[in-house]
Amino acid sequence: EAGVAQSPRYKIIEKRQSVAFWCNPISGHATLYWYQQILGQGPKLLIQFQNNGVVDDSQLPKDRFSAERLKGVDSTLKIQPAKLEDSAVYLCASSSIRRWANEKLFFGSGTQLSVL
Amino acid sequence: RKEVEQDPGPFNVPEGATVAFNCTYSNSASQSFFWYRQDCRKEPKLLMSVYSSGNEDGRFTAQLNRASQYISLLIRDSKLSDSATYLCVVNMKGNNDMRFGAGTRLTVKP
Repeated sequence: EAGVAQSPRYKIIEKRQSVAFWCNPISGHATLYWYQQILGQGPKLLIQFQNNGVVDDSQLPKDRFSAERLKGVDSTLKIQPAKLEDSAVYLCASSSIRRWANEKLFFGSGTQLSVL
Repeated sequence: RKEVEQDPGPFNVPEGATVAFNCTYSNSASQSFFWYRQDCRKEPKLLMSVYSSGNEDGRFTAQLNRASQYISLLIRDSKLSDSATYLCVVNMKGNNDMRFGAGTRLTVKP
C-alpha cells in the first residue's frame, strides 16, 4: 500500500515570497490533515478536511495561509506571503472516515520550509 | 490551559529503567487517545491507542483516567531504541480532530 506522498521535501524561500506544498493521501482515506511542526514542538493542526469539506481550520492563519482539496483526494497548502516564523516542517496526514473510531493517522515525510 | 499538555522532559534514563510519561487534556468530551512516537527528523508514527480499561503492548502500558482527564504511558525495561520523542494525541471533538501535545523527549543511555 502506497503511503502519504508529499512534495517538495525541502523548500527555502525569502520572507514575503509565496510557497505551496502538495499532499496525496492514502487511497480511500477521506480525512486529510495539514500540521505545522516548529522545531522542538509538537505538530499543530492547521486544517482538517473530510472529503473536500473543511472540518476544522480554527488554527489556520487565514490572512496568509490557504488550503484546498478540490476533488476530495490530493490537497495543496499555500503560504502567501511567508514570514520568518513560518519556518517549520509541514506534515500531511490522512485517515479513514469512521467517526468515533480510534483511527490511525498516516503521515507523509513532511516538507521542511526555511524562510530567510 | 493548553488543549493537550505533556511532561516537558527531557528524560534521560539508563537501559533497563522504567519510565512514565503523563499527559492531560482540556476537553472532557474527548473520545479517543493515542501515543505516537517521533524519531529525530522523521514523521510521527502510532505507538498505541489508549483504551478506557488500559492496555498493554509488550513493554508499553497505556492508561486513561477520564475523571482526571489524564493519560499515561509506561515503558518498562527501556532499550536504546526507545530513544525518541513521545507525543500524546487526543481526538478532541470526536470527529477525528487530532490534537498533539508538545512531546516528551526520551534518551536511553547504555
